[in-house]
Amino acid sequence: DAGVTQSPTHLIKTRGQQVTLRCSPKSGHDTVSWYQQALGQGPQFIFQYYEEEERQRGNFPDRFSGHQFPNYSSELNVNALLLGDSALYLCASSSKRLAGGNTGELFFGEGSRLTVL
Amino acid sequence: QQQVKQSPQSLIVQKGGIPIINCAYENTAFDYFPWYQQFPGKGPALLIAIRPDVSEKKEGRFTISFNKSAKQFSLHIMDSQPGDSATYFCAASTIWGYQKVTFGTGTKLQVIP
Repeated sequence: DAGVTQSPTHLIKTRGQQVTLRCSPKSGHDTVSWYQQALGQGPQFIFQYYEEEERQRGNFPDRFSGHQFPNYSSELNVNALLLGDSALYLCASSSKRLAGGNTGELFFGEGSRLTVL
Repeated sequence: QQQVKQSPQSLIVQKGGIPIINCAYENTAFDYFPWYQQFPGKGPALLIAIRPDVSEKKEGRFTISFNKSAKQFSLHIMDSQPGDSATYFCAASTIWGYQKVTFGTGTKLQVIP
């Protein structure tokens, strides 16, 4: 049973560029959340997608956008990159369907480490 | 606004010791309190979780103690092993609705042989 997979694992961009990160959720999961984890910090919630719509959003600017596809996979896009966007971007999947609501458990991928120069 | 405060930032214990990590939350709407373990180069993995209707939960060597009135909870690791060396995050969220998990800042634990 494949867990959460993310790509790419590492990437380097320069200021002002745009980046797209991809995530495939754990089999059977229908909800994808994205988190940003700066070095030495806890993950910070960016947004959550369910049924192809953004359902909740954290305190991140509009430069951060996302998408969820019919197969539940998801993309995170960041435009106009800043040095401060350098971080590990984590995708987490969960299921609303299996338990009739949130199961409460997030399954994380290993992340995409973004470096902005 | 940091809604989950975690301490200490780092912790060193000897093998067999009982490290304790403490967290406090502000939002009384939280009703689900998980702990995640993260090894270098990996994503966080759920370790153990508790709902506020119980004061303690044990799973193997890991125990969560929960004090609803004080809005505090803690993780105890019994008989700690070098393989437990990792960063531990407490977190809080709501079970119902669209789940936004708020994480603490993490505790880097080192268990020395």
